[in-house]
Amino acid sequence: DTGVSQDPRHKITKRGQNVTFRCDPISEHNRLYWYRQTLGQGPEFLTYFQNEAQLEKSRLLSDRFSAERPKGSFSTLEIQRTEQGDSAMYLCASSSTVGADQPQHFGDGTRLSIL
Amino acid sequence: AQKITQTQPGMFVQEKEAVTLDCTYDTSDPSYGLFWYKQPSSGEMIFLIYQGSYDQQNATEGRYSLNFQKARKSANLVISASQLGDSAMYFCAMRAAYSSASKIIFGSGTRLSIRP
Repeated sequence: DTGVSQDPRHKITKRGQNVTFRCDPISEHNRLYWYRQTLGQGPEFLTYFQNEAQLEKSRLLSDRFSAERPKGSFSTLEIQRTEQGDSAMYLCASSSTVGADQPQHFGDGTRLSIL
Repeated sequence: AQKITQTQPGMFVQEKEAVTLDCTYDTSDPSYGLFWYKQPSSGEMIFLIYQGSYDQQNATEGRYSLNFQKARKSANLVISASQLGDSAMYFCAMRAAYSSASKIIFGSGTRLSIRP
């Protein structure tokens, strides 16, 4: 199965540390998205890429957050100087631009816990 | 601004019964897409069904069907013959199909519990 893959599944870190997550999309998908989901809520959009270009960023994405997709394949999401409020599930999704409105296919997420 | 509203935080249904999960939306875009996702306790988001705003017929996918009422701006999910494995969170979501903003807006979800 070549679904969306995220690494790590879980990350526990102390406040103030930097963390980086990785997402490998479905291979033929050129769009890649990052979402954040807190307990009891639906996912909230953070940013998305079409190929290597970052086309939109949410205002939720503060200066401490940065996302890259250098070669249009995998993507990384880095959080610098983590805060308690960063504790959440970080979801990556990918989709194709070919054909009618395509669904976004999600990975299993990275659960971040800030101590 | 686009908005998705799911008014049922939780539902309990007897196994084998049909269940309807409510979803209303608000958008000023003339063209848009509506999605339903399932999120089991393990956390992964599973795509279930899609409805385009210009689709003439309601979408169906196995035991899932989408009751799309455009004038009422509602897109309810119907699950027929519910199974224990259907217990999960269900999210309604929307995207403006022809907007350069490709994000999906999610509702707050409905937790469905199937009783044996």
